[in-house]
Amino acid sequence: DQQVKQNSPSLSVQEGRISILNCDYTNSMFDYFLWYKKYPAEGPTFLISISSIKDKNEDGRFTVFLNKSAKHLSLHIVPSQPGDSAVYFCAASPGNTDKLIFGTGTRLQVFP
Amino acid sequence: KAGVTQTPRYLIKTRGQQVTLSCSPISGHRSVSWYQQTPGQGLQFLFEYFSETQRNKGNFPGRFSGRQFSNSRSEMNVSTLELGDSALYLCASSLGQAKETQYFGPGTRLLVL
Repeated sequence: DQQVKQNSPSLSVQEGRISILNCDYTNSMFDYFLWYKKYPAEGPTFLISISSIKDKNEDGRFTVFLNKSAKHLSLHIVPSQPGDSAVYFCAASPGNTDKLIFGTGTRLQVFP
Repeated sequence: KAGVTQTPRYLIKTRGQQVTLSCSPISGHRSVSWYQQTPGQGLQFLFEYFSETQRNKGNFPGRFSGRQFSNSRSEMNVSTLELGDSALYLCASSLGQAKETQYFGPGTRLLVL
């Protein structure tokens, strides 16, 4: 049972445009959400996070939006750059543990 | 500060064998978590150790086990290997406080033949 879902396995975006990566979750106990980026042959690296008490968090070109009623979060990258090409994982953490539940990932390709 | 290191980076085993993977966390980090990454399944949580105690556990069979030493280094063991155990095994370390971000190592790629 996949509690964190990334329904788009891949996304292709032109350089300079906006990339929107989506993530849905089913467990209402999740109260902390994170996005990780992964390049081939490397471990995932932390990108941005959001607590369930917020609906938006921004860090430079990256913004994460959280819609608790829809159990949906999204990562916006503006403007997209070729170096953003990677696999993006969203992850969620239940309130009483440090355990992270990851989605299956979305492969983003930014082309010139 | 050195990052999370995992050894070995690549491993080939045959069905029925057992394997031990090692993870050295970032200095000062007391929590080590292990994840299995397979195509189509994303990263699946195996277990987390904090101060030598297993604090959280995922839904994996008992063939998967781990331990943590007093210097926070951790090992993961898989016994009676199956073909489906072929995966990238990732280790992540954190300070161990709630909701800390985790820093991942490069992973150990295990192939079971």
